[in-house]
Amino acid sequence: GQQVMQIPQYQHVQEGEDFTTYCNSSTTLSNIQWYKQRPGGHPVFLIQLVKSGEVKKQKRLTFQFGEAKKNSSLHITATQTTDVGTYFCAGDANTGNQFYFGTGTSLTVIP
Amino acid sequence: GAVVSQHPSRVICKSGTSVKIECRSLDFQATTMFWYRQFPKQSLMLMATSNEGSKATYEQGVEKDKFLINHASLTLSTLTVTSAHPEDSSFYICSAQGNYGYTFGSGTRLTVV
Repeated sequence: GQQVMQIPQYQHVQEGEDFTTYCNSSTTLSNIQWYKQRPGGHPVFLIQLVKSGEVKKQKRLTFQFGEAKKNSSLHITATQTTDVGTYFCAGDANTGNQFYFGTGTSLTVIP
Repeated sequence: GAVVSQHPSRVICKSGTSVKIECRSLDFQATTMFWYRQFPKQSLMLMATSNEGSKATYEQGVEKDKFLINHASLTLSTLTVTSAHPEDSSFYICSAQGNYGYTFGSGTRLTVV
């Protein structure tokens, strides 16, 4: 079955440092989404990438979709304490919009 | 923005009983809703895809007779956990597709005692 892995599983950074999480799929994806889940909360949709090599930015967050559409990354510049949470990628290999979540990266920002 | 309401937020039930969880899209129509289960500190696992007016599509390993899904209208999908057992205790979350992307409900914490 489709597998979506993320690394690292956990990341502790000092406030102001950058952070990157990587998402890798065992199969080619038609599109990929990124979500943020705060502790005790539910996932919040951040962005969707569709095109090969696509790069999108949301303020301090930069999202990339690999050329082969099998990997993606989320980079946060100058982390803040409000960035704390678990970041999940979710990939869809078909057109049925059935997204399978990655294993998640838990980010801790130390003030 | 799109809002998805999920009820109840928490439920404790006795082993052997059934629990119904509702997922409503409040300000948009969702022809497709998704049901996920999340164990503590783990990722979300897709259980089934719920399509309005038709049978749900279940993921491999998910018992359709145990997790009954009904998508009676464009704004409501329900998940019924039948004959619940302690191993069914988990966080269940629905998601609906709308113009703003995919919106998640606030989740239901199910504890089976």
